[in-house]
Amino acid sequence: NAGVMQNPRHLVRRRGQEARLRCSPMKGHSHVYWYRQLPEEGLKFMVYLQKENIIDESGMPKERFSAEFPKEGPSILRIQQVVRGDSAAYFCASSPPKIQGKTEAFFGQGTRLTVV
Amino acid sequence: QQQVKQSPQSLIVQKGGISIINCAYENTAFDYFPWYQQFPGKGPALLIAIRPDVSEKKEGRFTISFNKSAKQFSLHIMDSQPGDSATYFCAASSPTSGTYKYIFGTGTRLKVLA
Repeated sequence: NAGVMQNPRHLVRRRGQEARLRCSPMKGHSHVYWYRQLPEEGLKFMVYLQKENIIDESGMPKERFSAEFPKEGPSILRIQQVVRGDSAAYFCASSPPKIQGKTEAFFGQGTRLTVV
Repeated sequence: QQQVKQSPQSLIVQKGGISIINCAYENTAFDYFPWYQQFPGKGPALLIAIRPDVSEKKEGRFTISFNKSAKQFSLHIMDSQPGDSATYFCAASSPTSGTYKYIFGTGTRLKVLA
């Protein structure tokens, strides 16, 4: 059973370009979370999605950032017109529906975005 | 209200010693408190977790102590080993929507000297 797969592992973009980060959840998991980790900081929640639905996007910047989790295929975090401040590690986590004490969220290895 | 404060920022421990990392929270609605271990270049991995109905949970060399009245919880690593050298994050979540939307602490970089 493969873990949460994120690609690419490393991504370099010039200022103004678009960045697309992909996350394939674990088999059987229908919930996906995206977190951002700035250098020397903890992870910050960005968005929570279920298949075809954005459930909570309270941590998403208002502009340039969007996320989707289509019926088929991976979840995508898209950053348009990247700026240097977007340089960070972006982690995806997946889980089945939460059952008290029975499940956990598993994290992928992250995509490290560098904006030059 | 939504913060989780973690200390220390970094910690150096001799092999065989006890590593202690502390976290404090404000939101009394939090009901799940996991600790994550992260090695360089890797994603966070769940180490151990506790709910507020117990004051302590032990798994091998790792123990969480939980003080509900003080709104504090801590991770103790007994007999620390060089392989434990990593960054440790505490986190908290509330039952809202039954999600894994975590509030993470800022992390503690642990180095265990051989």
